[in-house]
Amino acid sequence: QKEVEQNSGPLSVPEGAIASLNCTYSDRVSQSFFWYRQYSGKSPELIMSIYSNGDKEDGRFTAQLNKASQYVSLLIRDSQPSDSATYLCARRAGANNLFFGTGTRLTVIP
Amino acid sequence: KAGVTQTPRYLIKTRGQQVTLSCSPISGHRSVSWYQQTPGQGLQFLFEYFSETQRNKGNFPGRFSGRQFSNSRSEMNVSTLELGDSALYLCASSLAEAGELFFGEGSRLTVL
Repeated sequence: QKEVEQNSGPLSVPEGAIASLNCTYSDRVSQSFFWYRQYSGKSPELIMSIYSNGDKEDGRFTAQLNKASQYVSLLIRDSQPSDSATYLCARRAGANNLFFGTGTRLTVIP
Repeated sequence: KAGVTQTPRYLIKTRGQQVTLSCSPISGHRSVSWYQQTPGQGLQFLFEYFSETQRNKGNFPGRFSGRQFSNSRSEMNVSTLELGDSALYLCASSLAEAGELFFGEGSRLTVL
């Protein structure tokens, strides 16, 4: 069983719609989770971090964490073509050691 | 503020050779982590250094090694290269132990 699992996609949504990206993890003691965005040919960049159960909002992005279900999600509201990228879910295993999922490729269609 | 700088950006080696990759973190960041990214395995943690000490190591063979200097710059070395070592090697720096990483553009290694 992989540490962090994501649907590889591709996920296509029309411009202006809500994109929903999901991630499950296997380690029940995990406390810290992250969403990174990676444009094609570029390096990952941090979008959101979440440490507590519930929702965390930052602009058009909302991260949701459910530790009982071992589930993390990222919602992107009012999706824009510039949001087209691969989204990586990660959990912290120790210090700055992160387990990454293989990513979900999102395409926003104008 | 300058970002994380990695050199070289691209390199081609043959099997059995060794390679050294360099990383300069963001000024003030003392933690440097290295990751390998391949299409099949995704991003995998190699090791992390903080104040010249290796704090964590991933599940890679001993051919993969690294070090950190007093100015926080880091190098990683891969000896006896294998075809499967072809990958994008990413360095990330961090201000604290929070997992909030700032990645460099990577060094793309091709092993022939």
